[in-house]
Amino acid sequence: GAGVSQTPSNKVTEKGKYVELRCDPISGHTALYWYRQSLGQGPEFLIYFQGTGAADDSGLPNDRFFAVRPEGSVSTLKIQRTERGDSAVYLCASSLRGKNTGELFFGEGSRLTVL
Amino acid sequence: SQQGEEDPQALSIQEGENATMNCSYKTSINNLQWYRQNSGRGLVHLILIRSNEREKHSGRLRVTLDTSKKSSSLLITASRAADTASYFCATDERNAGNMLTFGGGTRLMVKP
Repeated sequence: GAGVSQTPSNKVTEKGKYVELRCDPISGHTALYWYRQSLGQGPEFLIYFQGTGAADDSGLPNDRFFAVRPEGSVSTLKIQRTERGDSAVYLCASSLRGKNTGELFFGEGSRLTVL
Repeated sequence: SQQGEEDPQALSIQEGENATMNCSYKTSINNLQWYRQNSGRGLVHLILIRSNEREKHSGRLRVTLDTSKKSSSLLITASRAADTASYFCATDERNAGNMLTFGGGTRLMVKP
C-alpha cells in the first residue's frame, strides 16, 4: 500500500503494562510525526523525526513516552507503565522534507485503551 | 497545547447549503492547512494556504486567510451528505519548528 500504515489498529491493555505502537510511513518521506487525539479533540503533537533523529520531542508528556526511528523509516512509539489517562488514538503522519511544514499524510491511527 | 480555535464547534446543515467554518490562531505562521476526519479514521489534507496568500480555491472548497486578524475560514459550497466529518485547521508556526499545531475542530453534519 502507498499510505501510512499503523499497527495495531486497536490495543487494550491494563494499567501499568508496556505498549508499543508501530508506524510505517510513505516510502521516501523523511519527516515522521506522532500525534495523540483524545475523543472530541484535535490532534496533539508528541514528537517529530527528521530521518533517524528526533528533531523535536517537546510534545511527549513525560518520560514514560519514548519513540524511535532507527533506520529512518519505520517508527515505534513506546509507552511504559501505562495509565488510564494514556487512552487515546495515536496518529502517525509522514511528509516530504521541506523548508516549511507541508501536507501531512496520516495513518488510520492506533486506538489505545488502558483499563 | 492547541493553537487554533475553530468556530463553531458543531454545525448542522441541509444538503445543498453552504458550510462556513472559522479558525483563529495566536502566533505568526508560515502556512495554514485544513484537514478533514471521518469518524474513526485518520486525517486527510484538504488545502494549504501560505501566509502571503489571502484566498485559495479547490473544487467546492474556498479558504481565506487574514493574517492581521490571525484568522481563516473554510467554505464548503453546495454541501453533500458525504461532507459529514470533522474539520480541523492546523498552523505551521513560524518559530515552532517543522510541525503542525491543530485546533479543536468543527463537527459538520450534512443532512440529506
